Amino acid sequence: GIQVEQSPPDLILQEGANSTLRCNFSDSVNNLQWFHQNPWGQLINLFYIPSGTKQNGRLSATTVATERYSLLYISSSQTTDSGVYFCAVEGQAGTALIFGKGTTLSVSS
Amino acid sequence: EAGVTQFPSHSVIEKGQTVTLRCDPISGHDNLYWYRRVMGKEIKFLLHFVKESKQDESGMPNNRFLAERTGGTYSTLKVQPAELEDSGVYFCASSLKISTDTQYFGPGTRLTVL
Repeated sequence: GIQVEQSPPDLILQEGANSTLRCNFSDSVNNLQWFHQNPWGQLINLFYIPSGTKQNGRLSATTVATERYSLLYISSSQTTDSGVYFCAVEGQAGTALIFGKGTTLSVSS
Repeated sequence: EAGVTQFPSHSVIEKGQTVTLRCDPISGHDNLYWYRRVMGKEIKFLLHFVKESKQDESGMPNNRFLAERTGGTYSTLKVQPAELEDSGVYFCASSLKISTDTQYFGPGTRLTVL
């Protein structure tokens, strides 16, 4: 099956700093989503981005499908950005999302 | 528009007992998915309904887990009998279209088996 690798596993930032999270996947995908798991455990949809670039406020994401990776950019980070960021992909053969292990982001003031 | 809802938010049971989790998808979403995250592991797919039919149940761990979606609306996931390794967070998600569409996740049910 498809392998999903996220890096870095952990990231510690000062408030106001920028960061880039990476997601590599091993095969062609129909779907790629970025999630933020908040301290209460809820999975919040950030982007549906199987290809191309999208922006939403301080967050943006780019997926280069031909090279099998996606990047999530967080600019001017805030303490509320803390949590685990997951990348999940859906292979062309199925409908299940396959999750990476996540990047744990800690933003301190 | 209401999002995906799950009930209960937490459940603590003893080994050998039965627990039933409920998921209400976004109205109009025919596709409903169950996932779970056991301690220290990745979030894993369990199964996928299209309306009331099981489209893919390849992720169900064993026959102690039974999922239903009567009438194609809400779904239940029953664990009987529960084992210690079933502890974790169970997520439900729904989508409008099958594949190539955003899956919206509920807040999850945290199950603890003692």
